[in-house]
Amino acid sequence: GENVEQHPSTLSVQEGDSAVIKCTYSDSASNYFPWYKQELGKRPQLIIDIRSNVGEKKDQRIAVTLNKTAKHFSLHITETQPEDSAVYFCAFIPRYSSASKIIFGSGTRLSIRP
Amino acid sequence: DVKVTQSSRYLVKRTGEKVFLECVQDMDHENMFWYRQDPGLGLRLIYFSYDVKMKEKGDIPEGYSVSREKKERFSLILESASTNQTSMYLCASSPDISGANVLTFGAGSRLTVL
Repeated sequence: GENVEQHPSTLSVQEGDSAVIKCTYSDSASNYFPWYKQELGKRPQLIIDIRSNVGEKKDQRIAVTLNKTAKHFSLHITETQPEDSAVYFCAFIPRYSSASKIIFGSGTRLSIRP
Repeated sequence: DVKVTQSSRYLVKRTGEKVFLECVQDMDHENMFWYRQDPGLGLRLIYFSYDVKMKEKGDIPEGYSVSREKKERFSLILESASTNQTSMYLCASSPDISGANVLTFGAGSRLTVL
């Protein structure tokens, strides 16, 4: 079926270090891969997304890479700060379904140690 | 500045009761979604709608139904609530524009079924 596997489920890094979260998806024809961040007690919000015609996209300390051959994409956070502590969700839109249907991974709880 | 509003933040219901969760968006979005959020399981799609009176099942539709009589309103209905439906329910909307699949989430409705 349509799914995306996300790893790790929890991640703890020292402030200032980098964090990497990986997702593997099932539908090789998918072409849109967003990442959402959910801070404690708040709603998920889009932080970055990538489309299948690019391999990497960067926005300040956040970057996303996409490997279509291997069917995986990753979120990279550099120089981590306390405000990066949150749950991060990867997602994708299965190609052979309604263009509106967005499937999420199980989430990664990122903790930044001072 | 609230764009997606869920009518109830917290509800406590008894097994067998009928439950209505209401969601309203003011962005004129075509697409609306209901997700369920449980620890370790991420955001699972229950139902979504891409137009008035149109709906499609997500990954976990059993035990739920939906209604979309007006573009701005999408309701989730639990005909006979059960304890395994205790969860956080998130409504979201997105525009139906190719390349603009960004979801805007509501604040969530935490349902407890006793």
